[in-house]
Amino acid sequence: DAGVTQTPRHEVAEKGQTIILKCEPVSGHNDLFWYRQTKIQGLELLSYFRSKSLMEDGGAFKDRFKAEMLNSSFSTLKIQPTEPKDSAVYLCASSLETKNTEVFFGKGTRLTVV
Amino acid sequence: SQWGEENLQALSIQEGEDVTMNCSYKTYTTVVQWYRQKSGKGPAQLILIRSNEREKRSGRLRATLDTSSQSSSLSITGTLATDTAVYFCATDRGSALGRLHFGAGTQLIVIP
Repeated sequence: DAGVTQTPRHEVAEKGQTIILKCEPVSGHNDLFWYRQTKIQGLELLSYFRSKSLMEDGGAFKDRFKAEMLNSSFSTLKIQPTEPKDSAVYLCASSLETKNTEVFFGKGTRLTVV
Repeated sequence: SQWGEENLQALSIQEGEDVTMNCSYKTYTTVVQWYRQKSGKGPAQLILIRSNEREKRSGRLRATLDTSSQSSSLSITGTLATDTAVYFCATDRGSALGRLHFGAGTQLIVIP
């Protein structure tokens, strides 16, 4: 059984570009989370979906960040326009609401904005 | 912030030694999760301990939770070089298990 799959693993963007990061959760999981990881801020929750519905759209990240989940097996995180301060590792995680024991993370996408 | 200790701590030990990592949190939580993150990988959940449990074990790992002092610890016995990683504790924000406040983490280096 595949875990959480994130693509691409690395992305380099110029300031002002639009980038889309992709995530496939563990099959059958209905909770999906996007996190950002930086050395300074650590791991920060960006968005949270339950059964494809957006439940949380993290505050400070709202203006240029948009997460979507058009079907239960695929989510995207769009950053538009990118800024150098967006350079970070973006992590996707999933879990099963009814089995409240484990959260699975993907390997992440390392974004560098120049 | 949810956490009492915000700086990433670093520990360097010899293989075979035991190690304990601590974290303290500020607001009530029903669950503390411990994660390990190796270089280039996402966090992997190690242990989930609930507020009605004082201790939980998994192989060489032991987690404790003291709700009165709002603190948790993770111990690893007989460390291996492959235990080298950053270890995070995380508390739940409610609504879903994966809605988490992560601590800053402890960088553990196990020297073979």
